[in-house]
Amino acid sequence: SQTIHQWPATLVQPVGSPLSLECTVEGTSNPNLYWYRQAAGRGLQLLFYSVGIGQISSEVPQNLSASRPQDRQFILSSKKLLLSDSGFYLCAWTKAQVSQETQYFGPGTRLLVL
Amino acid sequence: AQSVTQPDIHITVSEGASLELRCNYSYGATPYLFWYVQSPGQGLQLLLKYFSGDTLVQGIKGFEAEFKRSQSSFNLRKPSVHWSDAAEYFCAVGDSGGYQKVTFGTGTKLQVIP
Repeated sequence: SQTIHQWPATLVQPVGSPLSLECTVEGTSNPNLYWYRQAAGRGLQLLFYSVGIGQISSEVPQNLSASRPQDRQFILSSKKLLLSDSGFYLCAWTKAQVSQETQYFGPGTRLLVL
Repeated sequence: AQSVTQPDIHITVSEGASLELRCNYSYGATPYLFWYVQSPGQGLQLLLKYFSGDTLVQGIKGFEAEFKRSQSSFNLRKPSVHWSDAAEYFCAVGDSGGYQKVTFGTGTKLQVIP
């Protein structure tokens, strides 16, 4: 069966520091991968998605970037964190090229920028 | 562009009472519709989904939802709520694009009182 991992689970970082969040998927190949942010009291905002290695699409211009160095690895990064980057970051995957597929979510990373 | 509205930010029901969570969507064609549940500090779990066919969809944990095209709605229902149903519920609409873009509502937080 497929599983999705995210780490760290919780992170407290000072403003201006760099960020690296990691997401990995097991049990499937060539998944579509997604990064979402959930801010307090708001819904999920799609940040990035990827349909393959090195292929990243950005939905919202921001202080963050994403990379996909391996088929089942998706990384969310920032060079300098802002206070507004605080939130709950969720990684998700779907089977590629199957339009009716469900998104499966990881456990999330809670980021607090102080 | 597709959008989802969940008009109720917070709902409180008594244990054993019936529940209906509202969801309205905006989408040009026949939508793919989802309901997810999120327990505090956790990722999202799929409750049910509608792609086509029978407009009354059965999900896990005793939930069901009815797709009403004329009202652009996909309301979630449960005949008898349990204390363990307390969580946040997200309605989502997806399109048939190749990367499975899903737009989420802002969520409805459900509180269950004894």
